[in-house]
Amino acid sequence: GAGVSQSPSNKVTEKGKDVELRCDPISGHTALYWYRQSLGQGLEFLIYFQGNSAPDKSGLPSDRFSAERTGGSVSTLTIQRTQQEDSAVYLCASSLGWGVPQETQYFGPGTRLLVL
Amino acid sequence: EDQVTQSPEALRLQEGESSSLNCSYTVSGLRGLFWYRQDPGKGPEFLFTLYSAGEEKEKERLKATLTKKESFLHITAPKPEDSATYLCAVQKGSMNSGYSTLTFGKGTMLLVSP
Repeated sequence: GAGVSQSPSNKVTEKGKDVELRCDPISGHTALYWYRQSLGQGLEFLIYFQGNSAPDKSGLPSDRFSAERTGGSVSTLTIQRTQQEDSAVYLCASSLGWGVPQETQYFGPGTRLLVL
Repeated sequence: EDQVTQSPEALRLQEGESSSLNCSYTVSGLRGLFWYRQDPGKGPEFLFTLYSAGEEKEKERLKATLTKKESFLHITAPKPEDSATYLCAVQKGSMNSGYSTLTFGKGTMLLVSP
């Protein structure tokens, strides 16, 4: 079946602009995660959704970052007033839910964000 | 604080030259240890999950093992197509929270030359 999809695949923006990144999880997956991968760094957890709720937003680096999920499916990560340090690959993952092996996370291809 | 350390950072092998990648971790309440493969410009691809010390899993030329402090990814007779970055992640969570989070290492970049 179809995997996790993300759009756009690449985004170049100017400092101070807002950007929206989209994630379509695997059909039927109730859990959705956003991560950030910076050059030379490991994947950094940003936010977790169960259904449309976000019980864990602890990884969002500042209040410029927000995310929502609608219909228990598509999620959008929004970065307001982008800064150069926001440049990174933003990865989305989804899983069936809780328990073994449902909690295995499957990743999308990522959105490469470059802030000039 | 949870920590995941992968070594070496980079590894170059000749085709057919077997080796191992290491992932050492400190985490409270480990639920599982995951290995992913990441090709340039792509998202991580799931390889294995290990849940208890002594567990082993195999897939083609790859075998993952787990102890209480570390995991190894053994690559037997690698081929050039095995070239990728291999990521290790530890999963922690609780039945109360009803979800788990992954903490990733920085990865080992493997290059296999023909």
